[in-house]
Amino acid sequence: SYELTQPPSVSVSPGQTASITCSGDKLGDKYASWYQQKPGRSPVLVIYQDNKRPSGIPERFSGSNSGNTATLTISGTQAMDEADYYCQAWDSRTGVVFGGGTKLTVL
Amino acid sequence: QVQLVESGGGVVQPGRSLRLSCAASGFTFNSYDMHWVRQAPGKGLEWVAVISKDGSNKSYADSVKGRFTISRDNSKNTLYLQMNSLRAEDTAVYFCAKDNRDSSSDFWGQGTLVTVSS
Repeated sequence: SYELTQPPSVSVSPGQTASITCSGDKLGDKYASWYQQKPGRSPVLVIYQDNKRPSGIPERFSGSNSGNTATLTISGTQAMDEADYYCQAWDSRTGVVFGGGTKLTVL
Repeated sequence: QVQLVESGGGVVQPGRSLRLSCAASGFTFNSYDMHWVRQAPGKGLEWVAVISKDGSNKSYADSVKGRFTISRDNSKNTLYLQMNSLRAEDTAVYFCAKDNRDSSSDFWGQGTLVTVSS
């Protein structure tokens, strides 16, 4: 079955740039999406189709996807961005696949 | 505005059944595929199933295939998940989510907790 791998945790200082990676076999050939989830809340879509932002998502959130790696980048990270982040893709054999999630800490 | 409201969760014994519902509003329900996604306590997101807009196509995660059935009633704007032969490892918050036409999910419900325990 298809798998997506994320680092368990990433730390960033306020105002700096945070990068969260998601790796999978030929992931660049698929669309990657990213979700933000804060404790006790439902996930929120922050990036879809590799690099598109839904309405209401701040411009500091951006995405890229090439080769085997998709990356979520948060520029000028704010304390409110502290959350768990999940990547997601669709595989024709497995269906929807989520990465294991990355806990972003804003120190 | 889009609203998805899940219901039907609770405590159930192993081997028993439960049916979850998701009432949708604020969008044209019969124009979108719909998903169920679950999250075990303290764990990550796990996709469960998807159903096409007209209900003719369904796909399941291997972990639930043969035990769970996704369905929809477009006349009632409601999504369902019939869960049979429940196991302890099915304990999770179950979310319904609207497909964004590309397998991502742009709107999620608040979730309903299912606890499988004797």
